[in-house]
Amino acid sequence: DSGVTQTPKHLITATGQRVTLRCSPRSGDLSVYWYQQSLDQGLQFLIQYYNGEERAKGNILERFSAQQFPDLHSELNLSSLELGDSALYFCASSVVQSGRAKGSEAFFGQGTRLTVV
Amino acid sequence: AQTVTQSQPEMSVQEAETVTLSCTYDTSESDYYLFWYKQPPSRQMILVIRQEAYKQQNATENRFSVNFQKAAKSFSLKISDSQLGDAAMYFCAYRSYNRNDKIIFGKGTRLHILP
Repeated sequence: DSGVTQTPKHLITATGQRVTLRCSPRSGDLSVYWYQQSLDQGLQFLIQYYNGEERAKGNILERFSAQQFPDLHSELNLSSLELGDSALYFCASSVVQSGRAKGSEAFFGQGTRLTVV
Repeated sequence: AQTVTQSQPEMSVQEAETVTLSCTYDTSESDYYLFWYKQPPSRQMILVIRQEAYKQQNATENRFSVNFQKAAKSFSLKISDSQLGDAAMYFCAYRSYNRNDKIIFGKGTRLHILP
């Protein structure tokens, strides 16, 4: 168990709909990352939040948005869904860098599998 | 921008043998981390091994070790005594040290273990 919780695990929805994916980071982790993994593809970076503020943005579609709340959980909102949005969406969290901190890696949740029909 | 390249989409190895997965990266930074993540059929992302760029010594975790060549920007993963449970997708990843930045992944290498 990585300590990162994602809900729901599975989601099936129709084209044109809107969904919200939720992520609770590990206790104490201030950074949250969202990644998209389409079938048999690599992980595409979507967006990163650090302590409530957007830190970095990847190839995230305008139909997608995210936020990180004061309690550090994060939500990824996907709207006007298309068939091509079907994918596994991962959330990851990591500690803040401080000196040569040992905790440099990101810990991943189990992902939310989104199927758009 | 940093990039990570894994040139082997698929590899196979006989059980109990040794296999090496290749990874190269491009960066202008001097301080960074490199990782290998494993993604088994369950799709869970599991950290296999971590290397800090300032350390010359190659990281080792049980049967897993890396060959880190900083000048060549190469970071290969060696799996010794391959086991059936090692069958998975393996991703090489890069993370800048100086900023709490995103982790950039390669496209992955699918490893098959032959019994």
